[in-house]
Amino acid sequence: EVQLVESGGDLVQPGGSLRLSCTASGFTFTNYWMTWVRQAPGKGLELVANIKQDGSEKFYVDSVKGRFITSRDNAKNSLFLQMNSLRAEDTAVYYCARPSSSYFYGYFYYMDVWGKGTAVTVSS
Amino acid sequence: DIQMTQSPSSLSASVGDRVNITCRASQSINRYLNWYQKKPGKAPKLLIYAASILQSGVPSRFSGSGSGTDFTLTISSLQPDDFATYYCQQSYSTLAWTFGQGTKVEIK
Repeated sequence: EVQLVESGGDLVQPGGSLRLSCTASGFTFTNYWMTWVRQAPGKGLELVANIKQDGSEKFYVDSVKGRFITSRDNAKNSLFLQMNSLRAEDTAVYYCARPSSSYFYGYFYYMDVWGKGTAVTVSS
Repeated sequence: DIQMTQSPSSLSASVGDRVNITCRASQSINRYLNWYQKKPGKAPKLLIYAASILQSGVPSRFSGSGSGTDFTLTISSLQPDDFATYYCQQSYSTLAWTFGQGTKVEIK
């Protein structure tokens, strides 16, 4: 069964750090980019970060640049999100997702596998 | 960044109703547009990709249309399991993917 399982969410004080993990199973992890998406309470979905198959290319949304770092361990089928200098506005459920692609006249990416999410609360 | 705007933000409908949700991009995104369903406490679920291709396993009452800047998600006959929030998402920008703000479908 294709599956993503996140862990590491917790209550942390403003300015603190947290490391989220996502373990993949049921598919060839090294074939895929991987993505972090979050949903703050009462808000919509927001892409946080993308990382290429070999980790050589990464993208971050502006609001987390310089504070969050995504990485992966392909030997362990694992994805990570190191979150530093946390702010109240980082409070959210964080999902890891697998972007698949189909080629028509270009590569069309879409997130077809999602984890159940892990909750991060930043509060004093 | 490409901004995605959905309308309406919420709607009330009855079982059996035809429902249309619109998504507009701030610039042309060709057909690089996906639709997701989100229920409270659950992971998002992919419904439609590349504007109109139905994801495997998704009921055929869901359909997508549009290209350029204007897109529509249609539910042909609303079912009890369809009450949820729906999001569009563009994948035109390399890696800088953005979502619409969501449309909540509620029971009338």
